[in-house]
Amino acid sequence: DVKVTQSSRYLVKRTGEKVFLECVQDMDHENMFWYRQDPGLGLRLIYFSYDVKMKEKGDIPEGYSVSREKKERFSLILESASTNQTSMYLCASRQWGGNNEQFFGPGTRLTVL
Amino acid sequence: KQEVTQIPAALSVPEGENLVLNCSFTDSAIYNLQWFRQDPGKGLTSLLLIQSSQREQTSGRLNASLDKSSGRSTLYIAASQPGDSATYLCAVSNSGYSTLTFGKGTMLLVSP
Repeated sequence: DVKVTQSSRYLVKRTGEKVFLECVQDMDHENMFWYRQDPGLGLRLIYFSYDVKMKEKGDIPEGYSVSREKKERFSLILESASTNQTSMYLCASRQWGGNNEQFFGPGTRLTVL
Repeated sequence: KQEVTQIPAALSVPEGENLVLNCSFTDSAIYNLQWFRQDPGKGLTSLLLIQSSQREQTSGRLNASLDKSSGRSTLYIAASQPGDSATYLCAVSNSGYSTLTFGKGTMLLVSP
């Protein structure tokens, strides 16, 4: 069965902290994605990765960076967390060039105080 | 730029009703369309994926249709149940290698 896991369901951090959100998939998918979801704004793409060591900016990359050192793991980094980064963060993966079906993790609810 | 709209934003129905959720997109040159379900505070669960060459897909009480020329898709839920209460999102892809464009969802409440 398809599985995308995220390191934390809930996370509380202080302004200015460096925050790491981890995502792992066990489907050998090449592509991985990070979204944030906010009421009234829907899902917005932050960064995505077509393969190991590759990354592409999405619609709202400012204030974030990513790391993809292994195929199964995609990390989202908040270099200096701010209160406006309080949100639900969702990770997804898909097979390269397949039917484009994306599989999502359970989400991480991040609160920055 | 592709834009996806879902109407209505919220819908409340009594148990047992058949209902239709709507999704429209501005660029009809899509590769496929995916319907998701999201429970409060949770991730997205894929329900149905329709390729551009298909007209509909069915899974249990769910039926999704696609009309590319008019830029519309509908998700039909038969004999709704309280367990169907969730937010339903549609998303389109313009190629096998592009990212998804999401609508903002329809929040469905099915009352016993």
